[in-house]
Amino acid sequence: GAVVSQHPSRVICKSGTSVKIECRSLDFQATTMFWYRQFPKQSLMLMATSNEGSKATYEQGVEKDKFLINHASLTLSTLTVTSAHPEDSSFYICSAWDSTTNEKLFFGSGTQLSVL
Amino acid sequence: GENVEQHPSTLSVQEGDSAVIKCTYSDSASNYFPWYKQELGKRPQLIIDIRSNVGEKKDQRIAVTLNKTAKHFSLHITETQPEDSAVYFCAAGYKLSFGAGTTVTVRA
Repeated sequence: GAVVSQHPSRVICKSGTSVKIECRSLDFQATTMFWYRQFPKQSLMLMATSNEGSKATYEQGVEKDKFLINHASLTLSTLTVTSAHPEDSSFYICSAWDSTTNEKLFFGSGTQLSVL
Repeated sequence: GENVEQHPSTLSVQEGDSAVIKCTYSDSASNYFPWYKQELGKRPQLIIDIRSNVGEKKDQRIAVTLNKTAKHFSLHITETQPEDSAVYFCAAGYKLSFGAGTTVTVRA
C-alpha cells in the first residue's frame, strides 16, 4: 500500500534553533499534504494545508512565520519550526491523500520534537 | 471550518460487551468520516471509514453508522476484547478535523 515517510522520528534541540521535518510520499503523488500537531493526551490539531507549487494555508492561530511549510514537489513537503521554544515541543505528523484517487489518506509516522 | 465533537471522553466496558462512541460534526459538506485508533507517539491507525453516500459499514466486530441529516456518526465495537483498549478518534472532512478522543478500557 501507499506509504508516507516522515523524518526525523525524534529530535531534541536547544531553544532558539530551527528544526526541519520532512514528509515524503513514496509511491504516489500528493498535491496536497496536511500538517498536524498533537500535545500529550490531546487530539490531533490541523496546523496547515501544504499545496504543491503554492503557498500553504494556515489554520487560525497558527503562526505562518514560525511554522514554515514548503511543498516544492509532488512527493515532498517540509515543515520548519523556526526559533523553537519549549512550548513548541509536541508530536508533529503529516498526512497526504493519494492524488490519483483521493480515496485514501495516509499518515506519516510522526516526529516527536523536544525543545530544551 | 469543520468542528467535531466526540463523546464520551472515557469508556470502560466489561470484556464481551459492546462499546459505542459518538461524534457530531458541523460542516454539512463533509463527506468522509474515518475512525482511528492511536497508540502513544504513533501514527493514527485507520480502523474503519465511511463516506456520505453510505449509512452503515461493518467490518467484523466494528461498525460505523452515519446520519447525515443529524450530522452525527458512531463507532460500534461488539464483543470487546482486552486488545481493544486504546484511544479512539473520529474525524470528518477532507482536511480531517479530529474529535477529542475516547479512551476505551476493556475490563477482563
